[in-house]
Amino acid sequence: DAMVIQNPRYQVTQFGKPVTLSCSQTLNHNVMYWYQQKSSQAPKLLFHYYDKDFNNEADTPDNFQSRRPNTSFCFLDIRSPGLGDAAMYLCATSRQGYEPDFGPGTRLTVT
Amino acid sequence: DQQVKQNSPSLSVQEGRISILNCDYTNSMFDYFLWYKKYPAEGPTFLISISSIKDKNEDGRFTVFLNKSAKHLSLHIVPSQPGDSAVYFCAATDGGTSYGKLTFGQGTILTVHP
Repeated sequence: DAMVIQNPRYQVTQFGKPVTLSCSQTLNHNVMYWYQQKSSQAPKLLFHYYDKDFNNEADTPDNFQSRRPNTSFCFLDIRSPGLGDAAMYLCATSRQGYEPDFGPGTRLTVT
Repeated sequence: DQQVKQNSPSLSVQEGRISILNCDYTNSMFDYFLWYKKYPAEGPTFLISISSIKDKNEDGRFTVFLNKSAKHLSLHIVPSQPGDSAVYFCAATDGGTSYGKLTFGQGTILTVHP
């Protein structure tokens, strides 16, 4: 089945230690997104790629970076995680922006 | 500034009855609205959508109604089934060059009792 895959599903990192979350897709969608969802809050868009073009949301902290080496893969790098970055990170993909498909998410814990 | 709001954190319904989930938005630029369902430990799954040129869209047991003047939409599930128990998110986008950038509400936990 075509899908959006996120690894790992659970990630524990130490305060200040860089961490990378990964997302891959078999849908061949040209748009990929990263959302952050903190407990009991709405998912919030961090950035998205339209093909290779990177688009950062205005309020996304500089601590968050992303890479998209090819159509299928996208990475979220958190350079120096703080306790406030503990959240569920959701990757999503879409064809030209229609009805994004979401992955299962990676739950990040910062100790 | 929360542009999409789901004011009911939870809703409990008896199996076979109607579930009505509500959503309000403030941004008049939003022109496409989506509902997602989320089970624990899974990502959100697309359920149904509606464009601002329509006021109703149906898909099986699910119907979404849009009232543009009130900036309000609702999701009706008839009849409700225990398997519908999940978190329901309302989301909106302003089309154009937004390329599916969604603004979400906080979600409503639906529990359908047998």
